[in-house]
Amino acid sequence: QKEVEQNSGPLSVPEGAIASLNCTYSDRGSQSFFWYRQYSGKSPELIMSIYSNGDKEDGRFTAQLNKASQYVSLLIRDSQPSDSATYLCAVNMFGSNFGNEKLTFGTGTRLTIIP
Amino acid sequence: DAMVIQNPRYQVTQFGKPVTLSCSQTLNHNVMYWYQQKSSQAPKLLFHYYDKDFNNEADTPDNFQSRRPNTSFCFLDIRSPGLGDAAMYLCATSRGRNTEAFFGQGTRLTVV
Repeated sequence: QKEVEQNSGPLSVPEGAIASLNCTYSDRGSQSFFWYRQYSGKSPELIMSIYSNGDKEDGRFTAQLNKASQYVSLLIRDSQPSDSATYLCAVNMFGSNFGNEKLTFGTGTRLTIIP
Repeated sequence: DAMVIQNPRYQVTQFGKPVTLSCSQTLNHNVMYWYQQKSSQAPKLLFHYYDKDFNNEADTPDNFQSRRPNTSFCFLDIRSPGLGDAAMYLCATSRGRNTEAFFGQGTRLTVV
């Protein structure tokens, strides 16, 4: 089982609609979860972080976390063509040693917003 | 202002010729990461530093080494680059446990 799993897509969404991106993770001890956006040829850019069960909203973005189900999602409301990118889910996972946490990424979901 | 800076942005090296990529940060973060990302793949963690403590991933080839001489700088050395090492190399930093990581612009490595 991969440590962080995402549907690779592509996911196509009409402009103005809601885009829904999903992610599952394997480490029950994980405490912090992130969504990054990556445009082609660029480095990942942090767009959301979430630490507690429930929803967290920031502008058009909402992150949702369910630790019991080991599931985190990202909703993008009023999707714009500029939202077309690959969205990477990242989870902090701990090794056996104190301080040996590592940020592990899923393979990303490619999102295309159709004008 | 750029907070995590990678140099160079683009690097072309010859097969087997050692190459060094650099990363600097102005955030005074404790953790620095090096990731390798190939086309349409997830960033793959090569190693990371928690302060001076070095953590190597089990599947990182011995061909890859790293140095962190101080808090601000970290280097990735590829001793004998092969064609399969062509990729984007990403440096990231974070304050510590359970905190966000911020990426530099990346270095695109080409091996000829």
